[in-house]
Amino acid sequence: NAGVTQTPKFQVLKTGQSMTLQCAQDMNHNSMYWYRQDPGMGLRLIYYSASEGTTDKGEVPNGYNVSRLNKREFSLRLESAAPSQTSVYFCASSELTGYGYTFGSGTRLTVV
Amino acid sequence: DAKTTQPNSMESNEEEPVHLPCNHSTISGTDYIHWYRQLPSQGPEYVIHGLTSNVNNRMASLAIAEDRKSSTLILHRATLRDAAVYYCILSIYNQGGKLIFGQGTELSVKP
Repeated sequence: NAGVTQTPKFQVLKTGQSMTLQCAQDMNHNSMYWYRQDPGMGLRLIYYSASEGTTDKGEVPNGYNVSRLNKREFSLRLESAAPSQTSVYFCASSELTGYGYTFGSGTRLTVV
Repeated sequence: DAKTTQPNSMESNEEEPVHLPCNHSTISGTDYIHWYRQLPSQGPEYVIHGLTSNVNNRMASLAIAEDRKSSTLILHRATLRDAAVYYCILSIYNQGGKLIFGQGTELSVKP
């Protein structure tokens, strides 16, 4: 089982560029989440999708947009990257509310 | 959002039990208690979760206080591979089950 797959694994952007981080899960989970983790810090929730067709803001949504393309895929878009968005981004999914999450291996993004 | 409080760091000796405490005094009746761990340069890994009763799995045990305001993750025999940051998190039932991470406890294991 692939679990949660994130692409790309590494990315360097220039300030002002845009990009989309992709996330796909093959476990038929209903809920999907995007987190960011800055060095030495815990994870912070950016956006989440409790079920297909719904999305909601998390703790730090500014500068990001998301799309729940279908049940499998949940993408995160940076419209105009800023150095403050340099971070490791993790996607996660869960079957149902309250159940355990499965995390992807992360995307390491650097904005110069 | 409901918050959790954990010690910043703990030390353990290899092959000894480890008890990682967590306080969550503002927990609601429908919030699940989750534990995850994160090894360096990896994504978080699910360890265990529970609602009211104590839970056991192959990785660990979760002891939940009767009033649910605290819990303890128990690693029965620590190994060097258990050295990681351990996060105690509440899953907010009426907010899509989202997990809000705190700072976690950095566990070091001495041989």
